[in-house]
Amino acid sequence: QEHLVESGGGLVKPGGALRLSCAASGFSFSGFYMSWLRQAPGRGLEWLSYISRDGEYIDYADSVKGRFTVSRDNAKNSVYLEMNSLRDDDTAVYYCARGSRTGIGRFHPWGQGTLVTVSS
Amino acid sequence: DIQMTQSPSSLSASVGDRVTITCQASQDIRNYLNWYQQKPGKAPKFLIYGASNLETGVPSRFSGSGSGTDFTFTISNLQPEDVATYYCQQYDKLPPTFGQGTRLEIK
Repeated sequence: QEHLVESGGGLVKPGGALRLSCAASGFSFSGFYMSWLRQAPGRGLEWLSYISRDGEYIDYADSVKGRFTVSRDNAKNSVYLEMNSLRDDDTAVYYCARGSRTGIGRFHPWGQGTLVTVSS
Repeated sequence: DIQMTQSPSSLSASVGDRVTITCQASQDIRNYLNWYQQKPGKAPKFLIYGASNLETGVPSRFSGSGSGTDFTFTISNLQPEDVATYYCQQYDKLPPTFGQGTRLEIK
C-alpha cells in the first residue's frame, strides 16, 4: 500500500529552523515527483515546493522562496524540507504528497501531516 | 498565479440529496483540474483528476465536469460519510493553486 509518513514537526521560535522528513513506502519512490504543502489552522491548502524524480527540477511558492529548501534521497525513499527564518505565519500542518511521474499533476497520496508551530 | 474560486463556501444538505459545488479559474486551465475531500483532522484525499476522471476506488456518486474556466463537482445521493471540506486544484500552470474550500454538512 502506498504510504507517506512525515516527521520533524514541533514548536520553534520565530527566526528558528526546522527540518521535516517524509518517508515513502509501497511504491517506486524514485519514479515520482514529490511536493510539500501546508494548511494553516482553519485555513485552506497551500502548495509550497516540488522536487523532480532525480532532484534536477525544484520550485517553490513565493511565500517560502529563499527560506525553505527541498531535497530528496532516493536511496532512503525520503524527501525533506529544510525550513529557515521561520515566522509566525508559517504555523501549519505540513504535508508531503506524491505527484506524477512527469510533473506535479495530482497530489496522491498524502502523508498524515506534521504540525509546525512558530511561537515565542 | 491562477486564482481558483469555489462556491458556495459552505452548504448544508440532507442525506440522499444531490449536491453541487462550482470552481472557477481566473484563466483557461483546459481540463487540468483535480478535486479533493478533506475530513476533519485528516489529510486530503484525492477524488477526481482531469476535471472528470474518478480515481480508482472512489464511489461513483462523486462526479466532476467542466473545462476552460468553469468546473462542477457533484455528489449524488449524499451520504453521512461525505461530511467534509472539498477543494479544487489546478495543475495547468505553476504554482498549483487550490480553491478556498467548500464545507459540506448534513442537515
